[in-house]
Amino acid sequence: GAGVSQSPSNKVTEKGKDVELRCDPISGHTALYWYRQSLGQGLEFLIYFQGNSAPDKSGLPSDRFSAERTGGSVSTLTIQRTQQEDSAVYLCASSLRGEMNEQYFGPGTRLTVT
Amino acid sequence: GNSVTQMEGPVTLSEEAFLTINCTYTATGYPSLFWYVQYPGEGLQLLLKATKADDKGSNKGFEATYRKETTSFHLEKGSVQVSDSAVYFCALSSMDTGRRALTFGSGTRLQVQP
Repeated sequence: GAGVSQSPSNKVTEKGKDVELRCDPISGHTALYWYRQSLGQGLEFLIYFQGNSAPDKSGLPSDRFSAERTGGSVSTLTIQRTQQEDSAVYLCASSLRGEMNEQYFGPGTRLTVT
Repeated sequence: GNSVTQMEGPVTLSEEAFLTINCTYTATGYPSLFWYVQYPGEGLQLLLKATKADDKGSNKGFEATYRKETTSFHLEKGSVQVSDSAVYFCALSSMDTGRRALTFGSGTRLQVQP
């Protein structure tokens, strides 16, 4: 079946611009995660959605970052007023609730802020 | 809080050599432990997992045993191939956080030479 998909695969933006990154999880997966992979910080958790529960935003690095998940499926990560330190690969993962947390990752979006 | 420590790379081996990548963790409660692999140009893939003490995860000739007494989950393979060249990430998740997000180690790059 189809895996987790993300778009765009690459995004180059100017400092100060807003960007939106999209994630389509595996159909039927109720849990969705965003992570960030950067050279200096490794893989960091950003935000977690589980069904209709309030998201866990504890990993978001600043209030410029936000995410939503519509209809329990597609998710969008928005970064406002991008900074150069936001340059990273943004990874989305999904999992079935209760399946011992086996997360399936998308290919990522490489964001470059110039 | 939770943390994962991996040996730094790169690890360079000749084909058919024995591989060990060390991983130790700090966590509250009883975490699940994972190894993920990232091949060049590809996304993260789950390699193996273990959910309780003394469990052994195995896949594609790789093995790791959940050692609670030493808080370790070392990855081993008896005979590596060039195709195993990738970055390997040790990770844990703990329900104590309530969100099951993964905490990753910094990754270990493996280079296998023919």
